[in-house]
Amino acid sequence: EADIYQTPRYLVIGTGKKITLECSQTMGHDKMYWYQQDPGMELHLIHYSYGVNSTEKGDLSSESTVSRIRTEHFPLTLESARPSHTSQYLCASSGLDRNYGYTFGSGTRLTVV
Amino acid sequence: DAKTTQPNSMESNEEEPVHLPCNHSTISGTDYIHWYRQLPSQGPEYVIHGLTSNVNNRMASLAIAEDRKSSTLILHRATLRDAAVYYCILRSGANNLFFGTGTRLTVIP
Repeated sequence: EADIYQTPRYLVIGTGKKITLECSQTMGHDKMYWYQQDPGMELHLIHYSYGVNSTEKGDLSSESTVSRIRTEHFPLTLESARPSHTSQYLCASSGLDRNYGYTFGSGTRLTVV
Repeated sequence: DAKTTQPNSMESNEEEPVHLPCNHSTISGTDYIHWYRQLPSQGPEYVIHGLTSNVNNRMASLAIAEDRKSSTLILHRATLRDAAVYYCILRSGANNLFFGTGTRLTVIP
């Protein structure tokens, strides 16, 4: 059973639409992350958060934004979707200590047409 | 952040042991060695991690060299379900994990 949930699993949407990808975790983890991964390619960190009201940009520049109003919830928003945003988006969470592993969600595969 | 080096791909026969190597010559004394795997069309999955001593869990074993400059993930008996990309990653402090290209493991029936 998953402790971190992403919805939707798949999304096909038209150019210019606003979308929000949901991510929730039930483990009480302080740190949460969004990674972007194209098929067969590496994962790239686009956003992360150390806790409530904390958000930081990752290594890969992204036009998306995130918020962290509750510990368990870390949604990602695209104000105006474009075909270049087509990708898989993976959410993860972890404790702050380096002795903790990451737990990943199943991902959202986004297609912008 | 210290980086790791892994072979791009490896093959193994089903039901045989698999040793996946990882070099991390610039590892610092406080870096933990983490291993994850990613099955097709899924998010990465935590496999195992360690600091200095060898570690065992239900999924795999982690053998860490005495100088900590390399480590080996051991799958004791490969199954077709173990076919995945395996990532060796160093985690220091609260820093984020950097996922490189990993090793793509093919299991041959």
